[in-house]
Amino acid sequence: RKEVEQDPGPFNVPEGATVAFNCTYSNSASQSFFWYRQDCRKEPKLLMSVYSSGNEDGRFTAQLNRASQYISLLIRDSKLSDSATYLCVVYNAGNMLTFGGGTRLMVKP
Amino acid sequence: GAGVSQSPSNKVTEKGKDVELRCDPISGHTALYWYRQSLGQGLEFLIYFQGNSAPDKSGLPSDRFSAERTGGSVSTLTIQRTQQEDSAVYLCASSLVQGSNQPQHFGDGTRLSIL
Repeated sequence: RKEVEQDPGPFNVPEGATVAFNCTYSNSASQSFFWYRQDCRKEPKLLMSVYSSGNEDGRFTAQLNRASQYISLLIRDSKLSDSATYLCVVYNAGNMLTFGGGTRLMVKP
Repeated sequence: GAGVSQSPSNKVTEKGKDVELRCDPISGHTALYWYRQSLGQGLEFLIYFQGNSAPDKSGLPSDRFSAERTGGSVSTLTIQRTQQEDSAVYLCASSLVQGSNQPQHFGDGTRLSIL
């Protein structure tokens, strides 16, 4: 079983739709969680950290469920520019980030 | 610029040759990380440095891979006797310090192709 698992997608949604991605992690001792965004043939960029209480940044909402060991990302009112691969990232006690394989989102006009 | 800088941006070489990839982190960032990303795959952690020290080298795929960092700044990743399966994008990231709440900032990567 992979340490961090994501549905690879693609998720094809129309503009304005709400879309949600989940990510599960296997290490219950994982300490921190992030969502990164990666555009095609570009480097990953931090989208947002994920806090235990859940957090929101504009149209983006991230939530963490430690009991079930999953993280979610919700995108409201999706834009064409949201099309990208979204990487779930987990920081473990071994002092390294473990990346999920990414979920590809395609927002259509 | 103020970001993580990697060079070369692209490298094409023949199987069996050695290659050296360079990463110049954001000024003042003490932690530096190397990852690789094969086509259509997720990121694979290779090694990280806190200062000049690499506490965990277990992520390196084989003994053909080595990395060093001197002066707490620039790092080089060296691949000896390259194989075709080494073809990937090699990404470097840095963070202010090594820690669970520190976001990592990535360079543009080096696209390595082994013929």
